[in-house]
Amino acid sequence: EVQLVESGGGLVQPGRSLRLSCAASGFTFDDYAMHWVRQAPGKGLEWVSGISWNSGSIGYADSVKGRFTISRDNAKNSLYLQMNSLRAEDMALYYCARSGYLKEFDPWGQGTLVTVSS
Amino acid sequence: EIVLTQSPDFQSVTPKEKVTITCRASQSIGSSLHWYQQKPDQSPQLLIKYASQSISGVPSRFSGSGSGTDFTLTINSLEAEDAATYYCHQSSSLPYSFGQGTKLEIK
Repeated sequence: EVQLVESGGGLVQPGRSLRLSCAASGFTFDDYAMHWVRQAPGKGLEWVSGISWNSGSIGYADSVKGRFTISRDNAKNSLYLQMNSLRAEDMALYYCARSGYLKEFDPWGQGTLVTVSS
Repeated sequence: EIVLTQSPDFQSVTPKEKVTITCRASQSIGSSLHWYQQKPDQSPQLLIKYASQSISGVPSRFSGSGSGTDFTLTINSLEAEDAATYYCHQSSSLPYSFGQGTKLEIK
């Protein structure tokens, strides 16, 4: 069974850092690009960042560029999101998602909640 | 940056009704448009990929059409379990983007 499990969320003060992880199983991880998508409470979906299978191509939303860093470890079947200089507006449920051949996102993990508050 | 605009934002519908949700892109994206369903307290699930390609395990009452800038998700003979928020998503160019969502309420 294809599965994505996020972890690393929690309560953090504004300006501090947090590192999210996404553990993949049930498929050949290094065959696929991967993405992070977030959803603020009661709001819609926002694409955050994506990384190609070999880390050769990386993209970020303007809202996180320069503060967040996406990475992956294919040997560990894991995706990461390093989040620095966190702001109140970064508070959201963060999902990781696998990108298919047509760049559709399937499946999605269950999400990990990031709360930014003093 | 490509902006996706869905309509309507909210729709209240009765079972067995036919529902149409539209998604308009701010510039041409070919067929790089996908649809997702998100039920309360659940992760989004892929419904349709590449504008019109069906997904294994998704009921056949869900279908998609369109290309360029105008796309449609159609739900034939709505069922109570279809109460959810629906999102379109473009993967034509970075940064990827989602529509604002369409919430379907079942009367």
